[in-house]
Amino acid sequence: QSVLTQPPSVSAAPGQKVTISCSGSSSDIGNNYVSWYQQLPGTAPKLLIYENNKRPSGIPDRFSGSKSGTSATLGITGLQTGDEADYYCGTWDSSLNAGVFGGGTKLTVL
Amino acid sequence: QVQLQQWGAGLLKPSETLSLICGVYGGSFSVHSWTWIRQPPGKGLEWIGEINPSGSAIYNPSLKSRVTISVDTSKSQFSLKLNSVTAADTALYYCAGGFRVAEFDYWGQGTLVTVSS
Repeated sequence: QSVLTQPPSVSAAPGQKVTISCSGSSSDIGNNYVSWYQQLPGTAPKLLIYENNKRPSGIPDRFSGSKSGTSATLGITGLQTGDEADYYCGTWDSSLNAGVFGGGTKLTVL
Repeated sequence: QVQLQQWGAGLLKPSETLSLICGVYGGSFSVHSWTWIRQPPGKGLEWIGEINPSGSAIYNPSLKSRVTISVDTSKSQFSLKLNSVTAADTALYYCAGGFRVAEFDYWGQGTLVTVSS
């Protein structure tokens, strides 16, 4: 059972927009930065968003992040078939004194 | 550009010790925190623990009694040891690193560790 809660799956058509939610508590998301990772099939995760809404160099602006209270959201616009992957949110849990992740969301681009 | 390359035994028997090493190439080894993360087959990510630039290690409470993370700064390497493994420890193990708390800019390629008698 993951500390952070994500929907198991989302889907949308090519060119459309999708959002993925990540819900936590005051001990994790509520008081710490959130990051997001993309894991393409058979590969290691890749950092997409850090410090809630910042993109590393090379990540297109189709990917965006936001945080409000104890929840965070990843947005992807202009969906492409190459975006089909598992997406994970992560943060620090100040009560556990440990890193925590969401259970992951599988994105299908129909 | 920082790159991580990891290696270690992929098949263990129950009660043995898992041992993995991660080599860091490029960048400055001493300014990052280094982390181990695992992913059971078909499941999500689990944070195992990290060691920060000052050399202090923090572990997942659920694994703390069995885990040791250490660094060899002279070789730009860090390692994971997990003792008394069981089938529940079967997973893809990743090394990762970054500048910020619980944010991982760099990832190794992953090592599948299977625990089976």
